[in-house]
Amino acid sequence: SAVISQKPSRDICQRGTSLTIQCQVDSQVTMMFWYRQQPGQSLTLIATANQGSEATYESGFVIDKFPISRPNLTFSTLTVSNMSPEDSSIYLCSVGSDSYEQYFGPGTRLTVT
Amino acid sequence: LAKTTQPISMDSYEGQEVNITCSHNNIATNDYITWYQQFPSQGPRFIIQGYKTKVTNEVASLFIPADRKSSTLSLPRVSLSDTAVYYCLVGVSWNNDMRFGAGTRLTVKP
Repeated sequence: SAVISQKPSRDICQRGTSLTIQCQVDSQVTMMFWYRQQPGQSLTLIATANQGSEATYESGFVIDKFPISRPNLTFSTLTVSNMSPEDSSIYLCSVGSDSYEQYFGPGTRLTVT
Repeated sequence: LAKTTQPISMDSYEGQEVNITCSHNNIATNDYITWYQQFPSQGPRFIIQGYKTKVTNEVASLFIPADRKSSTLSLPRVSLSDTAVYYCLVGVSWNNDMRFGAGTRLTVKP
């Protein structure tokens, strides 16, 4: 299994600003994913982050709003840009394994005021 | 994408066996069935995965009938600490065509 850390664990941000969330994995992984989970709701996939290529975004999510970087096989960032209160959510990164399992980070709890 | 349907919530008591069934009528030939557990303020945690018949690990058992259109997660002798949301996913993770459904909120009572 992979051990995943995220920074920050939580933040309170003002409307119109941006926040970059970091995801660090303790081993090299090919597949890395970013999810959003609103309070009491299930997880929604934002994008798949592939090393060496642009991220693949799900319907309803765009690169200008959620730019993603994947500079190497152990690290990725997700930026939430021009935030509004509707962006208040938990953001999680995960990695895929060769045995088709996913391992998740602890999440970043974002509150936009 | 194979869609999954699970009960929204279930209640149980400590020491009982809990079975959570997931329906996935349009499962594809290559799809695996994976279950995750999520506690409040934590990311989901992998519980068990299977393709057909029965799979057992130290935490749970997964029963998959021959037609694979459903699956049942079995938690033996639950405790209060098993109170969580349980998600059933169908797909192939490395293509990440798996999508989280609504999940089942299990509440274990003393």
